[in-house]
Amino acid sequence: NAGVTQTPKFQVLKTGQSMTLQCAQDMNHEYMSWYRQDPGMGLRLIHYSVGAGITDQGEVPNGYNVSRSTTEDFPLRLLSAAPSQTSVYFCASSYATSGGANEQFFGPGTRLTVL
Amino acid sequence: SQQGEEDPQALSIQEGENATMNCSYKTSINNLQWYRQNSGRGLVHLILIRSNEREKHSGRLRVTLDTSKKSSSLLITASRAADTASYFCATGSGGSNYKLTFGKGTLLTVNP
Repeated sequence: NAGVTQTPKFQVLKTGQSMTLQCAQDMNHEYMSWYRQDPGMGLRLIHYSVGAGITDQGEVPNGYNVSRSTTEDFPLRLLSAAPSQTSVYFCASSYATSGGANEQFFGPGTRLTVL
Repeated sequence: SQQGEEDPQALSIQEGENATMNCSYKTSINNLQWYRQNSGRGLVHLILIRSNEREKHSGRLRVTLDTSKKSSSLLITASRAADTASYFCATGSGGSNYKLTFGKGTLLTVNP
């Protein structure tokens, strides 16, 4: 298993440009999430999905869109990049069981700089 | 908003010593998880403790949970240089098994 993969690893954008961060998992996990990590801030949830066709907002959703057309893929779209979106972005997935909470598996991250 | 807050923010110890990190949170939780992040890498899950559990062990890791004090601690025994990393606590609450709220982390440095 490749686990959770993210592309690209690094990206530089100019203010106003749009782009899509890709995330894929091959573990057949129902749950997928996007986080951003800023220095001294820990991880903050942007959007999440509990299955194909179902998405919802997290703590900091403004400026980002997501869709979940398949179980495997969960792309994050920046509609009009702003310097405040300079951050490291992590995708994560987890499985569902009747026992409750489970560990999340993280991708390696995408380091985004907006000039 | 941050749910968990780790303490201390940074910890430096010698190889072989024990490292203790604490996490405090504000609201009722279903579970609390600890993750490790090596510099420039993704997070790796270490251990999960549910709200009805008080202590769990995994190898050199020991986690305690005190729901009355809304706090948890992570103990790493006999630390190694390879344990150098940032450690985060994350809490899940309500009906969400997948929505985690992370703290800001403790940076642990283990000197050889």
